[in-house]
Amino acid sequence: KQEVTQIPAALSVPEGENLVLNCSFTDSAIYNLQWFRQDPGKGLTSLLLIQSSQREQTSGRLNASLDKSSGRSTLYIAASQPGDSATYLCAVLSNFGNEKLTFGTGTRLTIIP
Amino acid sequence: AAGVIQSPRHLIKEKRETATLKCYPIPRHDTVYWYQQGPGQDPQFLISFYEKMQSDKGSIPDRFSAQQFSDYHSELNMSSLELGDSALYFCASGLAGAEQYFGPGTRLTVT
Repeated sequence: KQEVTQIPAALSVPEGENLVLNCSFTDSAIYNLQWFRQDPGKGLTSLLLIQSSQREQTSGRLNASLDKSSGRSTLYIAASQPGDSATYLCAVLSNFGNEKLTFGTGTRLTIIP
Repeated sequence: AAGVIQSPRHLIKEKRETATLKCYPIPRHDTVYWYQQGPGQDPQFLISFYEKMQSDKGSIPDRFSAQQFSDYHSELNMSSLELGDSALYFCASGLAGAEQYFGPGTRLTVT
């Protein structure tokens, strides 16, 4: 059974700093990995999708990396802004045809102005 | 760009009542997914449909059922509601195996 862990559960950093969020998964046989952002009580916004054959994906100030063999992914946020404050969730799709995403418990990020 | 539409956005029901949640996927997406997110928890997969056929099933209670219609919209039917069913219910759509796009969710409160 796939298990996804995100550490730390909460993180506070001053505005302008670069930061890294971590995601680890127990079964390295994944199909893809998605990073999401969730504001309190709101929906999930997809940030980046990394296919299992890829090492990283970039979108603006965000860069996500994937090391399948070690069961790890990181989300790098450059030049953080107060608007980046949210909960960040990673989710793994284990197999094509087995469509469920398995989510991590999330990292609650607070950017301090 | 069109997004996933869910209705209603908020729903209040009493115990033992029935609720129906609706989802309208992004046009041309062939797969619809339902997830449940309890307070302070991560989303848990309930069920998915590929081209109107059930494709995968998670920890969905027997009191819940879902279907996808010919116009690709999907409905999640929940009967004999319990207090523990209070949660955010998300619908997502996508092409099989690709990125999943989530709707804004329906917040169900059971009193």
